[in-house]
Amino acid sequence: NAGVMQNPRHLVRRRGQEARLRCSPMKGHSHVYWYRQLPEEGLKFMVYLQKENIIDESGMPKERFSAEFPKEGPSILRIQQVVRGDSAAYFCASSPTGTGTNQPQHFGDGTRLSIL
Amino acid sequence: AQSVTQLDSHVSVSEGTPVLLRCNYSSSYSPSLFWYVQHPNKGLQLLLKYTSAATLVKGINGFEAEFKKSETSFHLTKPSAHMSDAAEYFCVVSDQGGSQGNLIFGKGTKLSVKP
Repeated sequence: NAGVMQNPRHLVRRRGQEARLRCSPMKGHSHVYWYRQLPEEGLKFMVYLQKENIIDESGMPKERFSAEFPKEGPSILRIQQVVRGDSAAYFCASSPTGTGTNQPQHFGDGTRLSIL
Repeated sequence: AQSVTQLDSHVSVSEGTPVLLRCNYSSSYSPSLFWYVQHPNKGLQLLLKYTSAATLVKGINGFEAEFKKSETSFHLTKPSAHMSDAAEYFCVVSDQGGSQGNLIFGKGTKLSVKP
């Protein structure tokens, strides 16, 4: 009965490297959401995916960020050519198939990304 | 556009005394509202949700919240604070007229509980 699993929990990258964050949703959930939390701030929505489809990416920066949720395997948030400002906690959430907006999202423990 | 305002960035109470965390929202449509709690270095746990049913919503760990449309408020309360309640609390709105995925978070209220 595992919840939303994110790995790694902590990730350190140097400027210019790539960061890959993984998220496995709860069993039976096919909707995945990514959020970013900057220090002293609430979470900001980035992207919403269903299996093999991006539904809403209105919160994603236009460059260097991408997300996918393949038919098999976890969802991946990819950040290319990282910069210091990318340092944040990145949270993944999932919800059941066919949910409406009143269904709660279940969150993972997050990945803390630090850029040196 | 929808938004959430948490009126206090930090609240401090003594163990055994009541807790009040304030939240006001703005939404063009009939909103769904949530309170989440975040313990240090952990993810967010759902405390309770309002989805246009009863206006007084009971959640886990003795928390409850009341939806007041006339005041556009959704304050979180607990009659008696426990040390384990020390955490950060987020008020969240999901606008049914908007994207299914778009939860709007408040900036959070850090609750400290003194012995």
